[in-house]
Amino acid sequence: DGGITQSPKYLFRKEGQNVTLSCEQNLNHDAMYWYRQDPGQGLRLIYYSQIVNDFQKGDIAEGYSVSREKKESFPLTVTSAQKNPTAFYLCASSIEGRLGNQPQHFGDGTRLSIL
Amino acid sequence: SQQGEEDPQALSIQEGENATMNCSYKTSINNLQWYRQNSGRGLVHLILIRSNEREKHSGRLRVTLDTSKKSSSLLITASRAADTASYFCATVYFSGGGADGLTFGKGTHLIIQP
Repeated sequence: DGGITQSPKYLFRKEGQNVTLSCEQNLNHDAMYWYRQDPGQGLRLIYYSQIVNDFQKGDIAEGYSVSREKKESFPLTVTSAQKNPTAFYLCASSIEGRLGNQPQHFGDGTRLSIL
Repeated sequence: SQQGEEDPQALSIQEGENATMNCSYKTSINNLQWYRQNSGRGLVHLILIRSNEREKHSGRLRVTLDTSKKSSSLLITASRAADTASYFCATVYFSGGGADGLTFGKGTHLIIQP
């Protein structure tokens, strides 16, 4: 079955720690995205990557970092600089890299909480 | 930043009735997409409608787009309990030479009463 796998499902972070959220896709999609969702809110774009070894900042990139070394993988690191990291994080992918021209396929998310 | 906004924020109807939700946006768009999200899950793509299209159907779903009013509507006919979810519209905006972002509204939370 093709799809997007996010892990872990739940993650807890201590103050001052960096944590990395995993996102893997086997859909052979070029583009991948990270979103943040706060309770009762829509999604906000953190970073996106249209192709391997390239990525762009979204609306709320401060305090986050990403890498795209492989087509299948787009990990997101939440750094200690992100002062309010508690949220639901969603990873998505789409066939082509031009943002918004194709449907996006989503993983089931990682819920990050601060201890 | 530009954003689609859904209306109403919440909607509760009886099973079998039709549900209509609306989305308004601020700038010219290339296309508009509708997604569904069940509680605690990722989003599922429903329909993509391009700026040169006025209406699109998929099963019990009907989406309209009025670019002159910068608005779209999603109609779910003959609703079922399984349609209970949040529904989001998403638009992409461009500036300069490329895409700047994909934005989602806050969603309409639809509850289907049995």
